[in-house]
Amino acid sequence: RKEVEQDPGPFNVPEGATVAFNCTYSNSASQSFFWYRQDCRKEPKLLMSVYSSGNEDGRFTAQLNRASQYISLLIRDSKLSDSATYLCVVIRFSGGYNKLIFGAGTRLAVHP
Amino acid sequence: NAGVTQTPKFQVLKTGQSMTLQCAQDMNHNSMYWYRQDPGMGLRLIYYSASEGTTDKGEVPNGYNVSRLNKREFSLRLESAAPSQTSVYFCASSLTQGTNYGYTFGSGTRLTVV
Repeated sequence: RKEVEQDPGPFNVPEGATVAFNCTYSNSASQSFFWYRQDCRKEPKLLMSVYSSGNEDGRFTAQLNRASQYISLLIRDSKLSDSATYLCVVIRFSGGYNKLIFGAGTRLAVHP
Repeated sequence: NAGVTQTPKFQVLKTGQSMTLQCAQDMNHNSMYWYRQDPGMGLRLIYYSASEGTTDKGEVPNGYNVSRLNKREFSLRLESAAPSQTSVYFCASSLTQGTNYGYTFGSGTRLTVV
């Protein structure tokens, strides 16, 4: 079982839809949590950090549930430009360094 | 504002050949990393350098070596390429090897070993 699990998708949604991605992590020692966005054949880029209190940035809302070891990303009013792969990332200290553990990503395709 | 620059962008090697992937950052970051990304696997850490003068192994270091040439530059070397090393390689940097700073990635090197 992977340490960070994501539904690979793809999620195919029309413009204007609300879409939610889920991510679970298996190691309770995980300390920090992020969502990254990766466009096709491009590098990952930090989208937002994730906190237990929730974190909102425009149309994007991220939430962390430490008890359930569950992270979510909600995108409201989807745009064509939101089409990308969304990577769930957790950080925990292991082997002498702060280790970033990436999920394999959830692909989103927004269509007109 | 270049950020993290990787070269080359594409490379085809024959099994057994060697090559060095170059990475440079201009953000005065202390920590630098090399990742590989394979389909369905997520990014996996090959080597990292927490600060200038130090390098350490990540999850998948076998078959690779690294050099932190100075604060800006961190290179990855494949001494004898194998088909299993066909992948997309990303260099990244962060202000510190800490938990709350996002990582900035280079645009990647697509390597095929035949």
